[in-house]
Amino acid sequence: EVQLVESGGALVQPGGSLRLTCAASGFTFISYSMNWVRQAPGKGLEWVSYISSTSDSIYYADSVKGRFTISRDNAKSSLYLQMNSLRDEDTAVYYCARDRCSSSSCYWFDFWGQGTLVTVSS
Amino acid sequence: HSALTQPASVSGSPGQSITISCTGSSSDVGSYNLVSWYQHYPGKAPKLMIYDDSKRPSGVSDRFSGSKSGNTASLTISGLQAEDEADYHCCSYAHSTNLVFGGGTKLTVL
Repeated sequence: EVQLVESGGALVQPGGSLRLTCAASGFTFISYSMNWVRQAPGKGLEWVSYISSTSDSIYYADSVKGRFTISRDNAKSSLYLQMNSLRDEDTAVYYCARDRCSSSSCYWFDFWGQGTLVTVSS
Repeated sequence: HSALTQPASVSGSPGQSITISCTGSSSDVGSYNLVSWYQHYPGKAPKLMIYDDSKRPSGVSDRFSGSKSGNTASLTISGLQAEDEADYHCCSYAHSTNLVFGGGTKLTVL
C-alpha cells in the first residue's frame, strides 16, 4: 500500500525556518518524481515545488522561489522541504504528492499524504 | 498566473448528475490536455479522480467523468451518492507557472 506521511509542521514566527519531511513507503521511491502542494485556510490548493526522481530537475512556484528548497533522499525514501524566511502567507497545510512520472512531470498526482500544518504567526 | 476559476459550491440530490466547471485560459486549460481533478475530504489526503482531461485511474468509479471545451474543463458526477460530498479541485499545466489549481468546489448532496 502506498503511504506518504508528512511531518515537521509547527508554529513558527515570521522570518523563521522549518523543515518538512515526507516519508514514503509501499512503492519504489526512486522511480517517481515528487511534489509539495499546500492549502492555505479557506483557500484552494497551490502547487509549491517539484523534484524529479534523481533530483536532476527542480521547480518552484514564484511565491516560494529563493526561500524554499526541495530535496530528497532516495536511500531513505524521504522527501524534504526546507522553508526559510517564512511569511504569514505561507500558513497552510502542506501535502506531499507523488507524480506519476519519473524523470519529468506528468503534471498530475496519483497519491497524496494527509498533510502537515505550518502556521506562521508572531 | 491566476488560479483556475471554479464555482464555490454545487449541490444535487442523490441519483442526479452534477457538473463542476473549471475555467482557465489559452495559456493553460485551453492549450494542453493536462487537466486533473481531485476529490478531497477535509483532513484527509486528496484523491486523483481524473487526469489528462478525461482519463480515469483504475479504481475510480465510472460515475466520474472529465471533459473539456475550449478553456473550460468539466467534472461530471452521475448517479450522485452521499459519499460524493466533498471538495473537488481542478488542476492544469500552465507553461509560465508549471501547475495551477482552481479555488475548489464544495459539493453538497442534499
